[in-house]
Amino acid sequence: QKEVEQDPGPLSVPEGAIVSLNCTYSNSAFQYFMWYRQYSRKGPELLMYTYSSGNKEDGRFTAQVDKSSKYISLFIRDSQPSDSATYLCAMGKGGSYIPTFGRGTSLIVHP
Amino acid sequence: NAGVTQTPKFQVLKTGQSMTLQCAQDMNHNSMYWYRQDPGMGLRLIYYSASEGTTDKGEVPNGYNVSRLNKREFSLRLESAAPSQTSVYFCASMGVSGTSGNTDTQYFGPGTRLTVL
Repeated sequence: QKEVEQDPGPLSVPEGAIVSLNCTYSNSAFQYFMWYRQYSRKGPELLMYTYSSGNKEDGRFTAQVDKSSKYISLFIRDSQPSDSATYLCAMGKGGSYIPTFGRGTSLIVHP
Repeated sequence: NAGVTQTPKFQVLKTGQSMTLQCAQDMNHNSMYWYRQDPGMGLRLIYYSASEGTTDKGEVPNGYNVSRLNKREFSLRLESAAPSQTSVYFCASMGVSGTSGNTDTQYFGPGTRLTVL
């Protein structure tokens, strides 16, 4: 079992839908959690960063961390075709500079 | 502020040829990384450098060497390229950003697409 599990998709939704992207993990020592967006033929771009449990909101994006369930989520409200990309979760132990990545979920938002 | 830059963007090699992928960052970060990304495999760490003068192996180091030339630059060398090294290579650095507040996080370059025939 990989330390970080992420459904590869693709996840296809209509424009305007609320999107939920998720990762589960097995290492209870993970303390920081990140979401990256990667457009086709581009490098990953940091979207959201959270430390420990709780929610964080930034515009249409909300990141949620449930450490008791070892489960993290990224919600996208009012999804747009420009949100079509691969979303990677990543996480690491406090003080570690080597995050562990999920394999990414492909999201398609169709007009 | 260019962030993380990589050269070249594309490269085609024949089996057995050698080449060096270049990476530079202008964010004054201490840590730098090389990843490869293959379909269905996600990002896999090849080598990393926690600080200038140090390098360590990651998950898939075989067939690669690295040099941390100075704080800004971190190069990846393929001494004798093999078809299994056909991949997209990403360089990254780790440091503080506005998105992460005061906490270190990773920033990626645009990638190098390498094909080995």
